[in-house]
Amino acid sequence: KAGVTQTPRYLIKTRGQQVTLSCSPISGHRSVSWYQQTPGQGLQFLFEYFSETQRNKGNFPGRFSGRQFSNSRSEMNVSTLELGDSALYLCASSLTSTETQYFGPGTRLLVL
Amino acid sequence: AQSVSQHNHHVILSEAASLELGCNYSYGGTVNLFWYVQYPGQHLQLLLKYFSGDPLVKGIKGFEAEFIKSKFSFNLRKPSVQWSDTAEYFCAAVNTGGFKTIFGAGTRLFVKA
Repeated sequence: KAGVTQTPRYLIKTRGQQVTLSCSPISGHRSVSWYQQTPGQGLQFLFEYFSETQRNKGNFPGRFSGRQFSNSRSEMNVSTLELGDSALYLCASSLTSTETQYFGPGTRLLVL
Repeated sequence: AQSVSQHNHHVILSEAASLELGCNYSYGGTVNLFWYVQYPGQHLQLLLKYFSGDPLVKGIKGFEAEFIKSKFSFNLRKPSVQWSDTAEYFCAAVNTGGFKTIFGAGTRLFVKA
């Protein structure tokens, strides 16, 4: 079974730009969660989607948004990028939100 | 507010030493608990999990964890670490009826050969 894939793997953007990250979950997994990982902060929960519905959102500004498609693939968007948005963005899929999560390799975003 | 705390941010051990990493959670209700590991250059992956039943759970590579409900703790242990255990370890929790998994800040373990 193919694992979770994320594209792109690396991105360099400048302040004020926007970015869209993509995640393809493991086949059959309907729950997709997104996290921001920074050194010393661990993984900060961004949001969770299940069957195209956002069921929970973390404490991030409205510049961070996401969506899930009918095939469970998910995207997250960050608008008006700030230097502090530089991080590794991880996507994880699972059968349900309380089960084991399977992580992708992440997208490393650098904002200059 | 829901939270997960890991007591140690960095741990350095010699091979064959015993390991215990602390994890405490602050949650109402019933929780599912996890330890994930991130080896250098690899994805985060599950080490072990506790949903219910025997509070002592065993995972991969000789790791185990004990759920102590009265202490809201889920500490990770290994009797004898190896150089290959060098990695970052994350404790995580989610309410059984919830949609939001909370992770601790992580513990970086370095094992000296």
